[in-house]
Amino acid sequence: GNSVTQMEGPVTLSEEAFLTINCTYTATGYPSLFWYVQYPGEGLQLLLKATKADDKGSNKGFEATYRKETTSFHLEKGSVQVSDSAVYFCALPFGQGGKLIFGQGTELSVKP
Amino acid sequence: EAGVAQSPRYKIIEKRQSVAFWCNPISGHATLYWYQQILGQGPKLLIQFQNNGVVDDSQLPKDRFSAERLKGVDSTLKIQPAKLEDSAVYLCASSLDSGITDTQYFGPGTRLTVL
Repeated sequence: GNSVTQMEGPVTLSEEAFLTINCTYTATGYPSLFWYVQYPGEGLQLLLKATKADDKGSNKGFEATYRKETTSFHLEKGSVQVSDSAVYFCALPFGQGGKLIFGQGTELSVKP
Repeated sequence: EAGVAQSPRYKIIEKRQSVAFWCNPISGHATLYWYQQILGQGPKLLIQFQNNGVVDDSQLPKDRFSAERLKGVDSTLKIQPAKLEDSAVYLCASSLDSGITDTQYFGPGTRLTVL
């Protein structure tokens, strides 16, 4: 079945540093891929998505490219801000009907 | 547009007690999901509804958990009796439909502590 593996956290960076959070997956076919973010005290919200191979999803300065050759969907940002401190989850659908399987989450802490 | 609403936000109960959570999805969203998020882990699906019918409840511990979505709008999730390992955040999400590209919108969650 489908599965997703994320790099473990926590990740601590200084403001304006470059961010990469690794995500790899196993899946039947080529499902859509998602990154969700959970800010402190808030619910999960969609950060970006890619619906087919070689697509690049982007939002709020974050990017991720759907790479079928390496079955990866790594999240990147060129210059992080303190406000990016949150937990980031990689996710993909499994089975029928759009339900998602999530990675274990990567906590990011950005220091000023 | 109003988001997904959940209540209560926090609940503390003792083991063997019962508890119920409520979810109101975004208006017009046909698909509703309940996920369980244990501390330090990603959310895990418990049950999926399409309108008022169950699509997938294979991961719902049916000996103690039950859920319903009457009239295809609001949903309730119940635990009876609760166990210590049920301590988690219960997330409700909704989407316009159940396609694999449909975005799921999450509520703030209900944090359950079982003592």
